[in-house]
Amino acid sequence: DAGVIQSPRHEVTEMGQEVTLRCKPISGHNSLFWYRQTMMRGLELLIYFNNNVPIDDSGMPEDRFSAKMPNASFSTLKIQPSEPRDSAVYFCASSPLRLSNYGYTFGSGTRLTVV
Amino acid sequence: TQLLEQSPQFLSIQEGENLTVYCNSSSVFSSLQWYRQEPGEGPVLLVTVVTGGEVKKLKRLTFQFGDARKDSSLHITAAQPGDTGLYLCAGRGGATNKLIFGTGTLLAVQP
Repeated sequence: DAGVIQSPRHEVTEMGQEVTLRCKPISGHNSLFWYRQTMMRGLELLIYFNNNVPIDDSGMPEDRFSAKMPNASFSTLKIQPSEPRDSAVYFCASSPLRLSNYGYTFGSGTRLTVV
Repeated sequence: TQLLEQSPQFLSIQEGENLTVYCNSSSVFSSLQWYRQEPGEGPVLLVTVVTGGEVKKLKRLTFQFGDARKDSSLHITAAQPGDTGLYLCAGRGGATNKLIFGTGTLLAVQP
């Protein structure tokens, strides 16, 4: 398996533009997580899905952020409009559902810079 | 809100030294995991501990889960430059698949 695949690896955009981050989880993993990592706040959970259904979006900063999982092999995180404070590394992770000893498999992340 | 505080935040040591990283919370976790993250990559799972008081060893790394399942420690013996990275603990509470990550410990091992 190629692991969790995220695209793009790097994104530089201007304030006010729409940004879409993409994630392909590991086949057979039915939980998917979106995290944001910054120096100040560490690794924060934004939203997670079980079986393509959003379970907890309490970490989504505000209405400018939205996430979808239209099928088991694809998820997107969208920011519209983007702001400089959204600059961070965004990680997608997947895992089997409800196996407490199983860890997450993370992608390599998308480094977002909003100027 | 469940919080996991790690200490120290930063650690710079010489090759061959021993070190311990701590992960503390006021909340009880059903399991706790440790990850290591290298620059430009996502965190990678090192170990999972489930039972209070459990000790697991992974080569030169020793992980312990506190008796009350609120804290954990990671001890590295004879650190090597390849151990350099960001170490993250992560706790899972109750019947949820959600992991809460700790604040992180950035370790630099100088040759």
